[in-house]
Amino acid sequence: GENVEQHPSTLSVQEGDSAVIKCTYSDSASNYFPWYKQELGKRPQLIIDIRSNVGEKKDQRIAVTLNKTAKHFSLHITETQPEDSAVYFCAASIGDNTGKLIFGQGTTLQVKP
Amino acid sequence: DVKVTQSSRYLVKRTGEKVFLECVQDMDHENMFWYRQDPGLGLRLIYFSYDVKMKEKGDIPEGYSVSREKKERFSLILESASTNQTSMYLCASYPTGRETQYFGPGTRLLVL
Repeated sequence: GENVEQHPSTLSVQEGDSAVIKCTYSDSASNYFPWYKQELGKRPQLIIDIRSNVGEKKDQRIAVTLNKTAKHFSLHITETQPEDSAVYFCAASIGDNTGKLIFGQGTTLQVKP
Repeated sequence: DVKVTQSSRYLVKRTGEKVFLECVQDMDHENMFWYRQDPGLGLRLIYFSYDVKMKEKGDIPEGYSVSREKKERFSLILESASTNQTSMYLCASYPTGRETQYFGPGTRLLVL
């Protein structure tokens, strides 16, 4: 079946450093790639997404890059702050217009003050 | 602001009990999903629904069923709870034509 692999599973950085989380997907029909942030005890919330016709998207300190040929996309967080500490999930759409997402395993990011 | 609510934040049940988890959204979304979240496994799709009375199996439907009698409400049913169904259950919804899924706060279920 289709799957999304996410790495690393845990990431610890010093405040102010950059953090990068990487995902690979298997479904060549995937065309939508959201990233969700889940703070401790809270619901997952969308932080950024990208569609297959775009190679990069940026929103303040966060950016996402997509390499469709390699079936690879990444989340970049610059100038990390303690409030960035959370679990981050990548996801990829399944098939064409199904609305279904398949999620990565999650990355626990810890930003040390 | 989209609001997705779930009936309970925490639930403790006994093995063999029938368990109902309720999800309600107030934004007239056609599409609703049930996931379970386990450490190291991410979010896995149990069931989803594109419209009232419609349901489709996700990746891990065994041991679960669903009900969607009204557009705003999507129920997950554990017919006979087992200890391996101890997990965090997340509901999500989104409107047709958009792709962003909005999540509920989750129900942490413990089956003893």
